[in-house]
Amino acid sequence: EVQLVQSGAEVKKPGESLKISCKGSGYSFTSYWIGWVRQMPGKGLEWMGIIYPGDSDTRYSPSFQGQVTISADKSISTAYLQWSSLKASDTAMYYCARHEGVAAGSFDYWGQGTLVTVSS
Amino acid sequence: SYELTQPPSVSVSPGQTARITCSADALPKQYAYWYQQKPGQAPVLVIYKDSERPSGIPERFSGSSSGTTVTLTISGVQAEDEADYYCQSADSSGTYGVFGGGTKLTVL
Repeated sequence: EVQLVQSGAEVKKPGESLKISCKGSGYSFTSYWIGWVRQMPGKGLEWMGIIYPGDSDTRYSPSFQGQVTISADKSISTAYLQWSSLKASDTAMYYCARHEGVAAGSFDYWGQGTLVTVSS
Repeated sequence: SYELTQPPSVSVSPGQTARITCSADALPKQYAYWYQQKPGQAPVLVIYKDSERPSGIPERFSGSSSGTTVTLTISGVQAEDEADYYCQSADSSGTYGVFGGGTKLTVL
């Protein structure tokens, strides 16, 4: 059974750094892209970017390029989403999901989401 | 940046057919995908590659494509289908993905 298990909720202050994780199991982690999706409170889904854990090839949406870093550690089947300096506007639910193909593909399995709250 | 356009809301009575559209210039070149999201839950893929249905998704969900518009059709709508629905595709060069703004389906 394919599973993506995300790290727990975070409460941070503006300016702080953060790295959240997503551990995959039940499939070949290095053979599928994995991506991140943002959902701000009461708003829609936003495609942030994807990574291919096999070779760490990474693609970002222009809206998120330079704002976050996506990485993966294939030795522990885990993908990461990282911020160097959080803003209040980063408050959102973040989902990881397995991505079929490169950018023109679907998210077929989803994690449970990680709620990030940034507040002074 | 590239955008997919969906109607904000669609309302239907139980047993009727709901149609949710998604429009963008690059849709003739790129596949579209549809997700259902209920409150407090992660999204679920209900249609892939314009019209294919993943295993476990009821047959009443179908997808179609015509030019720059793709359509999610839910036949014989049930109360449990009330949710937000999002289309997803990629820009014309297939460099990055994008979601539509979402459509809230209300079952009257």
